[in-house]
Amino acid sequence: EDKVVQSPLSLVVHEGDTVTLNCSYEVTNFRSLLWYKQEKKAPTFLFMLTSSGIEKKSGRLSSILDKKELFSILNITATQTGDSAVYLCAVTSGGSNYKLTFGKGTLLTVNP
Amino acid sequence: DAGITQSPRHKVTETGTPVTLRCHQTENHRYMYWYRQDPGHGLRLIHYSYGVKDTDKGEVSDGYSVSRSKTEDFLLTLESATSSQTSVYFCAIKGTGQTSIYFGEGSWLTVV
Repeated sequence: EDKVVQSPLSLVVHEGDTVTLNCSYEVTNFRSLLWYKQEKKAPTFLFMLTSSGIEKKSGRLSSILDKKELFSILNITATQTGDSAVYLCAVTSGGSNYKLTFGKGTLLTVNP
Repeated sequence: DAGITQSPRHKVTETGTPVTLRCHQTENHRYMYWYRQDPGHGLRLIHYSYGVKDTDKGEVSDGYSVSRSKTEDFLLTLESATSSQTSVYFCAIKGTGQTSIYFGEGSWLTVV
């Protein structure tokens, strides 16, 4: 059974701090790893990492994928209160079917 | 806007009644997914589709069926709704190859 594990489950920081969120996975026939941000609505896409793109950066957010050790990290620098959300990690796997499995998420709270 | 529409967005129904949720896309994407999201469990895959009439079960498929008779529509049916199926249901779509996955806005279902 495919498994995606995120840590920590929750995190409270102050504005300006840097945070690192973790995602490890065990899946059959790994395809890609995706990060999402979820506030009180549908998840919104942040990054996708594959074997051909193991590091991504967008503004204060960056992510790396370690395919050997089967994990990814999401870094957020100079956090702002608007970064408060649940961050979800997901992995696509399988042959041509692209099954998508999520971790339970990390709840990030950024206090002013 | 990823061109995904879920309907209904909110529904209250009685135990034992059948319920159908619809996911409609305008992107002509091959892959479509149904998830439910509950506190403490994150996003759990119910069923997914990798083409017209091609579907497979996810981790929480009991009590649910799906149909995909055309590319743009993926229907989720609760054959006889139970209170344990009270949840938020999200549809997601994905194109072919290493492409991102986008979510609909969710359908809130309450079974009383």
